[in-house]
Amino acid sequence: DGGITQSPKYLFRKEGQNVTLSCEQNLNHDAMYWYRQDPGQGLRLIYYSQIVNDFQKGDIAEGYSVSREKKESFPLTVTSAQKNPTAFYLCASSPWGQGNQPQHFGDGTRLSIL
Amino acid sequence: LAKTTQPISMDSYEGQEVNITCSHNNIATNDYITWYQQFPSQGPRFIIQGYKTKVTNEVASLFIPADRKSSTLSLPRVSLSDTAVYYCLVAKDSNYQLIWGAGTKLIIKP
Repeated sequence: DGGITQSPKYLFRKEGQNVTLSCEQNLNHDAMYWYRQDPGQGLRLIYYSQIVNDFQKGDIAEGYSVSREKKESFPLTVTSAQKNPTAFYLCASSPWGQGNQPQHFGDGTRLSIL
Repeated sequence: LAKTTQPISMDSYEGQEVNITCSHNNIATNDYITWYQQFPSQGPRFIIQGYKTKVTNEVASLFIPADRKSSTLSLPRVSLSDTAVYYCLVAKDSNYQLIWGAGTKLIIKP
């Protein structure tokens, strides 16, 4: 089945460590996105990529980094500079980066900092 | 500043029609409106998308008035399994900005 796979589902890290969240899609989509969701809150865009080797900052990019070396992969690194990293992280993709393209979401990674 | 506003929560009963309205005063001509459904600990799922007037699919309808400053998601004959959070999204065509609403928590009672 085509879709988006986020791994792991739960992730625990010590304070001060960088951690990388995986996102893979087999939908052949050009555009990919990372969102952060806090309890009871909506989605906030961290980074997005409209094409391989290119990405743009979203609304809350500070303390995060991404890469897009392959079309199917868009990993997110939560760095030690992110002051409050505990959250639910969602990855999404769309056929291309236009507003009329619905986004397909993975089932998220819940990150907890110990 | 563009903003998308939705009610925080709504209650209804099984078998009823539910309408959730989203306000987007700063919408531009080529901006699209999309609605998503999210269950706990899952990613949002696409429900319906529209640009103007009315769009209908197998699960919902989307009504957009002529001024496009609001949109209404209509869920016919809801069931307990429709209990979820519903998000409205306006995608700005001019600068690719994605403006998400804060979500409406819909609770369906038996």
